[in-house]
Amino acid sequence: NAGVTQTPKFQVLKTGQSMTLQCAQDMNHNSMYWYRQDPGMGLRLIYYSASEGTTDKGEVPNGYNVSRLNKREFSLRLESAAPSQTSVYFCASSEPTRPGELFFGEGSRLTVL
Amino acid sequence: QQQVKQSPQSLIVQKGGIPIINCAYENTAFDYFPWYQQFPGKGPALLIAIRPDVSEKKEGRFTISFNKSAKQFSLHIMDSQPGDSATYFCAASSGGYQKVTFGTGTKLQVIP
Repeated sequence: NAGVTQTPKFQVLKTGQSMTLQCAQDMNHNSMYWYRQDPGMGLRLIYYSASEGTTDKGEVPNGYNVSRLNKREFSLRLESAAPSQTSVYFCASSEPTRPGELFFGEGSRLTVL
Repeated sequence: QQQVKQSPQSLIVQKGGIPIINCAYENTAFDYFPWYQQFPGKGPALLIAIRPDVSEKKEGRFTISFNKSAKQFSLHIMDSQPGDSATYFCAASSGGYQKVTFGTGTKLQVIP
């Protein structure tokens, strides 16, 4: 049982380049999330999707877009990467009956030069 | 604004000690308070959680204490072990939105 799978695990971009982080979960969860983790800042919510076909902004959505492709997959896109977006990105999923119980992937470390 | 404040930022204890991590929240709509444990290179994983209708919850060596009137909660790790060395995050959520707000994390090191 893979749980939450993120790709790629590592990526280096130049300022202005675009890229998409992929996330898939095999737990049949309705809700999916993208967080970023920065030293001293904890985990901050970028976007979330309560169910297939819906997405909502979190705490730090600027510079990002998301797509809930189907129930399993939730992607995060950086259209024009900036050095401030250097971070570790985590995808997570949860069930509505157990809010607050997030299942995380292993993270994608992104460096923007 | 930071809705969940966590302290200390880092903590070093000797094996067998009882590290205590404290968190405070502002939003009275929060009704679920989980703690997550994260090892280097891994994603956070749910460790233990509490609802505000109880003042304490124990699971193995991990205990959450909850003070609703003070809007504070804390994690105690009894008989700490080197394998407990990790970063711990407190968090809070309100049931209707499923969004989880995290504290800034505490890096715990347990020395043998």
